[in-house]
Amino acid sequence: EPEVTQTPSHQVTQMGQEVILRCVPISNHLYFYWYRQILGQKVEFLVSFYNNEISEKSEIFDDQFSVERPDGSNFTLKIRSTKLEDSAMYFCASSGGQSYGYTFGSGTRLTVV
Amino acid sequence: AQSVTQLDSHVSVSEGTPVLLRCNYSSSYSPSLFWYVQHPNKGLQLLLKYTSAATLVKGINGFEAEFKKSETSFHLTKPSAHMSDAAEYFCVVILSGGSYIPTFGRGTSLIVHP
Repeated sequence: EPEVTQTPSHQVTQMGQEVILRCVPISNHLYFYWYRQILGQKVEFLVSFYNNEISEKSEIFDDQFSVERPDGSNFTLKIRSTKLEDSAMYFCASSGGQSYGYTFGSGTRLTVV
Repeated sequence: AQSVTQLDSHVSVSEGTPVLLRCNYSSSYSPSLFWYVQHPNKGLQLLLKYTSAATLVKGINGFEAEFKKSETSFHLTKPSAHMSDAAEYFCVVILSGGSYIPTFGRGTSLIVHP
């Protein structure tokens, strides 16, 4: 069964550093998403991406965040200057359309120290 | 606006007994509804989905859910719990006719006792 692949599975970074979280969506999917789950809290929507541009973003997705699909296969989330409160599990998801469901990756656990 | 409410933060059952995880939604449009499961330190796995076809939806691992429009509910059930079912379960709603952004409930932690 096709999978969404996220790398790395765990990343530790120092406050103020830039991090890039990587995702490889399912190859024929057109819609891509990033979500965040702070430990013990709910899964929160960050951003959706379609047709090579952001289609929607939440208030969490401020100027320190950016997304890119640099080569038609990878889908990346960049956090420019990490803060302690950015520590969370970040999930990437892709979809072929609403009725098909959304396939999530295993997540990247980001720890900012 | 759309929202999804999972009424119980924790549900505790004994192995072999039925499971009921409750989910209510609020949506002005016909929703698509999903249940995902998250095992410890794992990603989110799709259990089942409702997308305006049959109201009783069967998923993996013996789970099923029934869409009840009059009650705006989409509760997840399983006749007999197994130890391996212990996990976090998320109800997810997607608004049809508007934004296609999945919105997650807070999650319900299912605890299964031997």
